Amino acid sequence: EAGVTQFPSHSVIEKGQTVTLRCDPISGHDNLYWYRRVMGKEIKFLLHFVKESKQDESGMPNNRFLAERTGGTYSTLKVQPAELEDSGVYFCASSLRQGIVEKLFFGSGTQLSVL
Amino acid sequence: GQQVMQIPQYQHVQEGEDFTTYCNSSTTLSNIQWYKQRPGGHPVFLIQLVKSGEVKKQKRLTFQFGEAKKNSSLHITATQTTDVGTYFCAPKTSGTYKYIFGTGTRLKVLA
Repeated sequence: EAGVTQFPSHSVIEKGQTVTLRCDPISGHDNLYWYRRVMGKEIKFLLHFVKESKQDESGMPNNRFLAERTGGTYSTLKVQPAELEDSGVYFCASSLRQGIVEKLFFGSGTQLSVL
Repeated sequence: GQQVMQIPQYQHVQEGEDFTTYCNSSTTLSNIQWYKQRPGGHPVFLIQLVKSGEVKKQKRLTFQFGEAKKNSSLHITATQTTDVGTYFCAPKTSGTYKYIFGTGTRLKVLA
């Protein structure tokens, strides 16, 4: 079974540019999460999709960030325009609730560097 | 908002010593998960605890959920170099659907 796929694995852009990150969840997983880890610190929640709907986007830093999940399959996270503080590792995770257990499967992340 | 603190932030141990990380929430939790992230890797699910006072074991790892469902701990007996990484608790608050990650405890095991 294929895992959660993210690309690109690395992205280096200049301040003011636009970057789009993509996440392909495990097939059949309704839940899709975006997280960000900055400077090796805590993993911060960004938002949560259930199928194509945004269940919770309370963690999105500001309106420079836009996430979509068209058709309830893959998701994109666009940062426009990028700022220096947006640098970090962006993780995507997907899950399928089975009763009370919901195991999150993480992708390998996208390392974003804004110069 | 909800705050989730883990202590210690860092821990260096000699191989063979025990290790414990504690996770404390300011709110009552519906359940809590634990993840391990190896250096350069991504978080990997370890376990989920649901019941008050629950204790689960996985070989040398023992996970505990507090009676009040506000705290949890992970204890590793006789650490090995393969235990190196950052351990995160990820609690879910009642009435929400998202998992918030704790601040993490970075473990280094010296051979």
